[in-house]
Order: sequence, then structure tokens, then C-alpha cells
Amino acid sequence: QSFLTQTPSASGTPGQRVAISCSGSSSNIGSNYVHWYQQLPGTAPKLLIYRNDQRPSGLLDRFSGSKSGTSASLAISGLRSEDEADYYCAAWDDSLNGYVFGTGTKVTVL
Amino acid sequence: EEQLLESGGGLVQPGGSLRLSCVASGFTFNSHAMSWVRQAPGKGLEWVSVINPGGSGTNYADSVKGRFTISRDNSQNTLDLQMNSLGAADTAVYYCAKGDKNTGWFNWGQGTLVTVSS
Repeated sequence: QSFLTQTPSASGTPGQRVAISCSGSSSNIGSNYVHWYQQLPGTAPKLLIYRNDQRPSGLLDRFSGSKSGTSASLAISGLRSEDEADYYCAAWDDSLNGYVFGTGTKVTVL
Repeated sequence: EEQLLESGGGLVQPGGSLRLSCVASGFTFNSHAMSWVRQAPGKGLEWVSVINPGGSGTNYADSVKGRFTISRDNSQNTLDLQMNSLGAADTAVYYCAKGDKNTGWFNWGQGTLVTVSS
């Protein structure tokens, strides 16, 4: 089973900016869109960013995504307590002919 | 409002079978690819399978290939996952999700828990 690599945890105080990285390969991030999901405790995942840097309508612009080569990142600015959650990146993998998820990053608001 | 509602989860013995269903509403079901994604207790997300809008194309994660079968009935707006030869590693919450590799999964169901145990 293949996964994209994310740092296990990230933290910040309210108002700070937090960045989460997602590392893959040429067969996934390098050649396909990256999407980001937020999973609050006990709930289903929610799409946060799609097509590398696009926000679903209604989503606050505190969340932003970017991609470069075989890596992607998610930034959360103006950190709030309600941002405490697990965050996952995902992309299609042309070699596997399937989707791969990131290992997940737990964001803690101090 | 777009909704996905899974059902069919429960307790099953190792080696047994289970069929999950997902009923969609609020959108044109036959226009969208659908996936199953699972999450073992305390673990991360794992993609399981995808089916194209018409139902003619499917893909599976290596971990379930040959044991799971995804299908859809566009006349009933339903997505199914037939799971055979279940093992402890298949214990997870199973989510159905709408979307594809270009859009991401915009909508998710609430999930249904499958527990494989004797």
C-alpha cells in the first residue's frame, strides 16, 4: 500500500500561520491534481482544497494550497481553535491506477 | 442538498461477506464517478475503489483486489460494495464519496462501520 508523506503533526497558537507538506512522486503529485481534506474528530472528511489550489465555494480564504513538482502544501492562516483536526492530501497515481492518500497531519491549536 | 447515505455495515466473522450500499440524492448521480474510502480505527484514510459514471470502468486498491466488487445502479441512484473473504484488516468505517481525480471528493457520506471479528 502506497501513501503520500506528510509530517505527523503541526501546531500553532491562535492567529498564527501553519503549513503542512505532502510529498509524493512523479506518478502521483508530479502528474495529477492534489486535493486536501479536513477531518474533524468523529466526522467524515471534508474537501478543503481541490486541483492544487482551488477552494470550494463558501470556504474561508484562511486555507490555501500550492503545488510544486512532486510536493504540495496546505497553509492555514489566522489559526483558530476550530481548525484542530486531521488533514490529508490525496492524488491519483498513474502507476497504481488508483488514489493515494497522505499519511495525515494532526493540527493542534495551542 | 446533495446527500450520500451509507448502510449495510455490521459485525461479520473472518472469511465472511458483507454488502454495503450508498444512496445518493440531490445531484445527477449518473454524471459522477463514485468511490469508497475506508478508515480503520485510529488510522488514516485509505482509498478502496472507484467506478466511473456509467459503471463500465472500475479500479481497486491492491489490498482489496479480487475480494471486493464495486457496482452502481444509476436508475436507483445507488452505489454498492460487495466485500468477500473479509479479514481483520478490513475493519473500518467505510465512506462513499462523489468525485474524481480532477475534482476531488466533494461530498461524503457519514460512513458505515464494518467490524470483522469472531
